[in-house]
Amino acid sequence: SQTIHQWPATLVQPVGSPLSLECTVEGTSNPNLYWYRQAAGRGLQLLFYSVGIGQISSEVPQNLSASRPQDRQFILSSKKLLLSDSGFYLCAWSLTGRAPDTQYFGPGTRLTVL
Amino acid sequence: DQQVKQNSPSLSVQEGRISILNCDYTNSMFDYFLWYKKYPAEGPTFLISISSIKDKNEDGRFTVFLNKSAKHLSLHIVPSQPGDSAVYFCAATSEGTYKYIFGTGTRLKVLA
Repeated sequence: SQTIHQWPATLVQPVGSPLSLECTVEGTSNPNLYWYRQAAGRGLQLLFYSVGIGQISSEVPQNLSASRPQDRQFILSSKKLLLSDSGFYLCAWSLTGRAPDTQYFGPGTRLTVL
Repeated sequence: DQQVKQNSPSLSVQEGRISILNCDYTNSMFDYFLWYKKYPAEGPTFLISISSIKDKNEDGRFTVFLNKSAKHLSLHIVPSQPGDSAVYFCAATSEGTYKYIFGTGTRLKVLA
């Protein structure tokens, strides 16, 4: 069966510091991968998605970036965090080659920028 | 532009009764719809989905209804249980886009 991992679970960072959140998927090959952010009291905002290694689509202009160095690894980064980057970050995957299909989420990372 | 809308931010229901959560969408290209349940500090859990070729899909206590002409879908939970208390998100996607658009969520509280 497929599983998705995210780490760290919680993170407190000062403004201006860098960020690296990691997501890995097990049990499937060539998944579509996604990064979402849920700000306090709000819905899920799609940040990035990837349909293959090195293929990243950005949905929202911001100081975040994403990379997919391996088939089942998706990384969310920032060079300098802003206060507004605080939120709950979720990684998700879906099957590729079949559309549309169910999307499955990881446990999330709570990021607090102070 | 909010393409998927959940206009009720919260809903309270007595245990054993029916919970009805609503979702509206504006993009007629959407052809697959999903409902997720989310507890605080956890990732959303997939509940049930429906393709646009159907108007109803049922899985145990959960039933999703789709009205394409009204661009409206609803999730029915019968009977409601206290463990159903969570935030429910609807999402929509269309073939070939790989993108899922989520609503803002409805917080369901099932009262014992």
